[in-house]
Amino acid sequence: EAQVTQNPRYLITVTGKKLTVTCSQNMNHEYMSWYRQDPGLGLRQIYYSMNVEVTDKGDVPEGYKVSRKEKRNFPLILESPSPNQTSLYFCASSLVASGGTDTQYFGPGTRLTVL
Amino acid sequence: GQQLNQSPQSMFIQEGEDVSMNCTSSSIFNTWLWYKQDPGEGPVLLIALYKAGELTSNGRLTAQFGITRKDSFLNISASIPSDVGIYFCAGPPSGTYKYIFGTGTRLKVLA
Repeated sequence: EAQVTQNPRYLITVTGKKLTVTCSQNMNHEYMSWYRQDPGLGLRQIYYSMNVEVTDKGDVPEGYKVSRKEKRNFPLILESPSPNQTSLYFCASSLVASGGTDTQYFGPGTRLTVL
Repeated sequence: GQQLNQSPQSMFIQEGEDVSMNCTSSSIFNTWLWYKQDPGEGPVLLIALYKAGELTSNGRLTAQFGITRKDSFLNISASIPSDVGIYFCAGPPSGTYKYIFGTGTRLKVLA
């Protein structure tokens, strides 16, 4: 089954404790992306990746890191989480970045709480 | 960062009514996408638009790519209870590979 998976689905942590949220897709998609969703603000893009070893900042990259060592995986890293990073996070992937085949498929979400 | 303005923010409608919502931007888009998000789920693509003036349907849903390329519209005809959810417009501004999402329209259908 074609899908985007994220782990963990729920995470409660404390300020400053490094964490990683994993994202994996099995559709051989080139484009992958991370979003955060906060009430009243919709989804805001954190980072995106056009392909392996190619990443770029979205609209809200501060406090986050990503890597794209393999095509299927795109982990989101919070080196020193803070309470303002409490949010619902979504990973998404699409075949290419644009050009008529940029339908993004979203993972199920990771709800992160930073105390 | 840039955001797309969606209106209305929320709607309460009776089952069977038609629904209209829109999305506007200060910059030009080459692609407009409409997503629906159910509670506890990730967004799911409903309709994709790739050309100014394009009108595309998906069952009871119809979306249009505005002529100015700065807006898009989504209509739902004869709403049913399962239409409940949050509807987002989205797309990459022209010349970028970023994705911008609207703030969402929350739809509630009263049976």
